[in-house]
Amino acid sequence: QVQLTESGPGLVHPSETLSLTCTVSGFSLTGYSVYWVRQPSGKGLEWMGRMRYNGDTSYNSALKSRLSISRDTSKNQVFLKMNSLQTDDTGTYYCTRRFDYWGQGVMVTVSS
Amino acid sequence: DVVLTQTPSTLSATIGQSVSISCRSSQSLLDSAGNTYLYWYLQRPGQSPQLLIYLVSNLGSGVPNRFSGSGSGTDFTLKISGVEAEDLGVYYCMQATHAPFTFGSGTKLEIK
Repeated sequence: QVQLTESGPGLVHPSETLSLTCTVSGFSLTGYSVYWVRQPSGKGLEWMGRMRYNGDTSYNSALKSRLSISRDTSKNQVFLKMNSLQTDDTGTYYCTRRFDYWGQGVMVTVSS
Repeated sequence: DVVLTQTPSTLSATIGQSVSISCRSSQSLLDSAGNTYLYWYLQRPGQSPQLLIYLVSNLGSGVPNRFSGSGSGTDFTLKISGVEAEDLGVYYCMQATHAPFTFGSGTKLEIK
């Protein structure tokens, strides 16, 4: 069955870089695009960017200067890196397969 | 960016009551290929979003048929025909026609 699992550090210090991994199973990264979505605590959802099935990437322009998405198809993993983190980057980060299947999310707190 | 305006922001319903949620877009979601990438999600407390409806009116896998979606262009509606206790949570519409993909601000459904 289709599964996506996010992993990464729960705490990041201000100005540091966030690194998250989305490990997928039940489908191929060369057949489906994977998207990253985040949700500040108690707030709504924000699309961050995507890794397309063909390896192309696209980003939300609001985050583009800080964001990088890559993948390792041999390990069935998609990676998110975002630099210069601030406190308002605190929230839950999700990966989703083309918006149909979602991971359980990983909570990230930005604090000194 | 496309702005999705959801109304109402809060909805209170009794078990068995039928309710509707509106999602209005700041621009048409019909793309040049004739597709309308409008989705509906339910996010239960403490959970990741669950796909209810895709491409305006198609029921997601395993979603009960008391949920239905309709609309075109800029105006869309999610209807729940006979609310059940498990339907409580926050409902979001999302568009994936125009990058950056955007979400509505959510409608919280409470059970009386």
